[in-house]
Amino acid sequence: QSALTQPASVSASPGQSITISCTGTSSDIGAYVSWYQQHPGKAPKLMIYDVTSRPLGISSRFSGSKSGNAASLTISGLQAEDEADYYCSSYMTTTKVFGTGTKVTVL
Amino acid sequence: QVQLVQSGGGVVQPGRSLRLSCVGSGLTFKDYGLEWVRQAPGKGLEWVSVISYDGRKTYYTDSVRGRFTVSRDNRNILYLQMNSLRPEDTAVYYCARTDYFASGPSYGWFWGQGALVTVSS
Repeated sequence: QSALTQPASVSASPGQSITISCTGTSSDIGAYVSWYQQHPGKAPKLMIYDVTSRPLGISSRFSGSKSGNAASLTISGLQAEDEADYYCSSYMTTTKVFGTGTKVTVL
Repeated sequence: QVQLVQSGGGVVQPGRSLRLSCVGSGLTFKDYGLEWVRQAPGKGLEWVSVISYDGRKTYYTDSVRGRFTVSRDNRNILYLQMNSLRPEDTAVYYCARTDYFASGPSYGWFWGQGALVTVSS
């Protein structure tokens, strides 16, 4: 199964909003979409699950959505600590796939 | 507090074997699915394998099926037995706890610190 497609990089100034896209086929992007944040040298951290839900402790500045074969992660009020790599993911009954990853740079 | 502590990484020659371990604490280990995810140097995340909460179901990505085996025991330990290793298996391997009573792939809620496996002659 091929990786989901994400832009390689996105950058913005503090306080601005960014949106990261994640595209796949109709069989890839279903109800079980999640997003992970990964800082250099660290393990990934779950930020969004079930397309739009946030785990306890995750800031409301992070939000998820889906339309057709594409999912999106929006970070509003960008902060320096948001600078990291972000990966979308989708799972099916017997397999799971990650996106290609997006490096977010806070200018 | 949930913790997953990994061990077993290292340098191994192509064709040889290695076993990774992941010890869980702060959770009722037997009630959750567990998975392995790897990340080649400078590359993105790749899902490797998952084992159901009861150990009865296992699933693998195509590139490791038949070479890797995931297992778990009642001492709160998750294993990944890696045989016939190839240079392209070089990566940091992460274990992760997935969903309550998960029978297949799911979300990675808590992660281990990672273990580097280098396959090289």
